[in-house]
This record gives sequence, structure tokens and C-alpha cells, in this order.
Amino acid sequence: EPEVTQTPSHQVTQMGQEVILRCVPISNHLYFYWYRQILGQKVEFLVSFYNNEISEKSEIFDDQFSVERPDGSNFTLKIRSTKLEDSAMYFCATLRGRSTEAFFGQGTRLTVV
Amino acid sequence: QQPVQSPQAVILREGEDAVINCSSSKALYSVHWYRQKHGEAPVFLMILLKGGEQKGHEKISASFNEKKQQSSLYLTASQLSYSGTYFCGTPETNFGNEKLTFGTGTRLTIIP
Repeated sequence: EPEVTQTPSHQVTQMGQEVILRCVPISNHLYFYWYRQILGQKVEFLVSFYNNEISEKSEIFDDQFSVERPDGSNFTLKIRSTKLEDSAMYFCATLRGRSTEAFFGQGTRLTVV
Repeated sequence: QQPVQSPQAVILREGEDAVINCSSSKALYSVHWYRQKHGEAPVFLMILLKGGEQKGHEKISASFNEKKQQSSLYLTASQLSYSGTYFCGTPETNFGNEKLTFGTGTRLTIIP
């Protein structure tokens, strides 16, 4: 069964540092998302990406965040200057098409110290 | 505004039934249900696309009441593997490719 692959599984970084989280979506999927989940809380939407551009972003997704799909395969989330409150589990998710199930990657646990 | 789930947490003995509710103050165009085990990614259970729709997979089923803006997930004869946190997720429109706004979650614990 095809999977969404995320790397790294765990990242520890110092406050103020840049991090890049990577996702390899399922090859024929069209819609890509980043969600995050602070420990013990609900899954929160960050950004959606379709046709090589951002289609929607949440209030959380401020100027410190960016996404890109540089080579048509990897889908990355960059946080330019991490803050303590960025510590969370970050999930990549993809959809094959409209009104279909979302496939989630296993997540990257980001710890900002 | 996120959907509200109830109960927040429930503990069952193996073999008992559970109902998890998801209610929204806004129109529901479709409802997704996911289960998340501790430290893992959410795993898709089912989508309900139309009001009145009911779906089932083995002993897990769901209903969607569009008029009441709510959905319910039914777990019958629960197994230990059903433990986890259940989330409903809803899109804001009926375009179908939008972000999901997830509910508050229901933590289900099954004990032997």
C-alpha cells in the first residue's frame, strides 16, 4: 500500500534556528497539506498546496513558514526561525482527489529548545 | 470553528459498544472520521458525503445527519485494537479538496 513518507521522524533544534521538514507524497496525489499537533491537542491545519502553489493557509502559517515542492516529488515545510511554541508533531497529508480520504505521514516530532 | 466531539473520553471493557458524536455550529458538507493511536499518524476510517448516509466497516459504522449538523461513530463489540483518539474532520465547503477542520477528539480506552 502506498505511503506518505516524512523525514526526519524527530528533530531537535535550538530556538531561532531554521528547520526543514520533508514529505514524499503518494505519487499520483494532487493535494498536499501540512498539519500540526501540539502534544495532547487536536490536529490543526497549517497550509494546503495544489498545482504548485498555496491554496489556503491558516493564521498559524505566518511569515516564518513556507512550503515548496522543488522537484515535483518532495514537499517541504520550512520554519525560518523556530520558537519554543513551534514544538509539535507535524503531519504531511495528501489527497488523491476531491472528497477522498487523507493519507497522513507518520509525522515529524519537532522539539525546539 | 472546530466541531465539538462528545464524550471527551470513554473507557470500555472489551466487547462493549460506544458512540462518539461530532457536532458543528456550521453546515456540514461531509464528515471524515480518523483514529489516532498514541504517537502515530491519524488513520482514515471513513467519509460520509451525503446527509442521511450511513457507512460501516466490520464493527465500526457511522451516520451523518446533515440537518442536525452532526455525525456519530458507532463501535460495536469493541476490541482492544480500537483504543485511540477518534477525530471527526470536516471541510468548510463542498469542494472536497479543502483542509479539514478536526474536532476536539474523543479518547477511547478499551480494557480487557
